[in-house]
Amino acid sequence: DAMVIQNPRYQVTQFGKPVTLSCSQTLNHNVMYWYQQKSSQAPKLLFHYYDKDFNNEADTPDNFQSRRPNTSFCFLDIRSPGLGDAAMYLCATSRDYGDAKNIQYFGAGTRLSVL
Amino acid sequence: AQKITQTQPGMFVQEKEAVTLDCTYDTSDPSYGLFWYKQPSSGEMIFLIYQGSYDQQNATEGRYSLNFQKARKSANLVISASQLGDSAMYFCAMRGLGDSWGKLQFGAGTQVVVTP
Repeated sequence: DAMVIQNPRYQVTQFGKPVTLSCSQTLNHNVMYWYQQKSSQAPKLLFHYYDKDFNNEADTPDNFQSRRPNTSFCFLDIRSPGLGDAAMYLCATSRDYGDAKNIQYFGAGTRLSVL
Repeated sequence: AQKITQTQPGMFVQEKEAVTLDCTYDTSDPSYGLFWYKQPSSGEMIFLIYQGSYDQQNATEGRYSLNFQKARKSANLVISASQLGDSAMYFCAMRGLGDSWGKLQFGAGTQVVVTP
């Protein structure tokens, strides 16, 4: 059974139209991460939550926001998507930060297209 | 700053043969973890194997093994007896203990195509 679930798998939105991607987990992990992965590139961390504590990467555009209403769910909001935001968005979770063996488990991703 | 380098953008391997994917890293952290992930064309990142910097033995998980050479700062992934389902992008990643937020640094990836 999938432990990190992302919905939808494919999302098409219009230029400038707000869009929300969702992620849920059944692992009861403390940390949830959002990555952006453009074609043929490595994933790039946007931000993460440790419990309800939000941590933004310095180079994440303001256009990207996130919410974590409870342990299980985390949302990625793109306020005004541009053509450059078309990408795969990956959600990941990990139990803690505590040691170097901090395995991140990923969902299947949401592939976002912007028209 | 930490850096992960994967020098092989792509490779072909015949079914049932072994393949080695190269990964070198650079870090000043005395304690760190090294990870390999597989990403099929469907997009999901699948965790394969982990090696800790203080682990004395090379990690193994089924057909996956990690050739860890700490002095050379390399952590190559070996896939034995390749299967068609092994065709995917493979990412090497690391996390240093100094990355207090658990941030993973990824390499550029190696695309593996397994042929019959």
